[in-house]
Amino acid sequence: NAGVTQTPKFQVLKTGQSMTLQCAQDMNHEYMSWYRQDPGMGLRLIHYSVGAGITDQGEVPNGYNVSRSTTEDFPLRLLSAAPSQTSVYFCASTRHMNTEAFFGQGTRLTVV
Amino acid sequence: DQQVKQNSPSLSVQEGRISILNCDYTNSMFDYFLWYKKYPAEGPTFLISISSIKDKNEDGRFTVFLNKSAKHLSLHIVPSQPGDSAVYFCAARRYNAGNMLTFGGGTRLMVKP
Repeated sequence: NAGVTQTPKFQVLKTGQSMTLQCAQDMNHEYMSWYRQDPGMGLRLIHYSVGAGITDQGEVPNGYNVSRSTTEDFPLRLLSAAPSQTSVYFCASTRHMNTEAFFGQGTRLTVV
Repeated sequence: DQQVKQNSPSLSVQEGRISILNCDYTNSMFDYFLWYKKYPAEGPTFLISISSIKDKNEDGRFTVFLNKSAKHLSLHIVPSQPGDSAVYFCAARRYNAGNMLTFGGGTRLMVKP
């Protein structure tokens, strides 16, 4: 059982570069979301999706784009990376609206 | 303004004793609370949850208590084991909010043999 798979695990970007963080789940979950974890701040919601074709902003959406063309995939795009986006990124999926979220192993991103 | 706060960044406990991790929240719209455990270089894993209509939920060595009037919840681990050493996150959710979780800053628990 793969669960929630994130790629890559580590990435170093230069300021201004763009990249896509991949997230895939094989549990047929409706809900998917992206969080970032910064020291002392817990995890903060970036964007989320309640189903294919539907996305919305979370607490800290600026600088990030998402799309949800399939149930399985929910990529996170950084259009022009900034040092403030250095963080650990977690993707999560949830079967229904009132069940617990399952998290991927994270992507550690450094922007220099 | 943090809506979910874990005021203790770290906690050290002797093996076999009780670990008590605390969490406070400010948003009265939260009606579901979860605890996640996180090991280094891994994603958070779900531990236990509680609905706002309850004041206690127990699962093996883990018990979560909710005091709605004080907007406070706590996680009790009895007995604590060295394998429990991890960062514990408290999270809260509004009704029908899917996976839109609001997290606390985390508490690092160290259980000493």
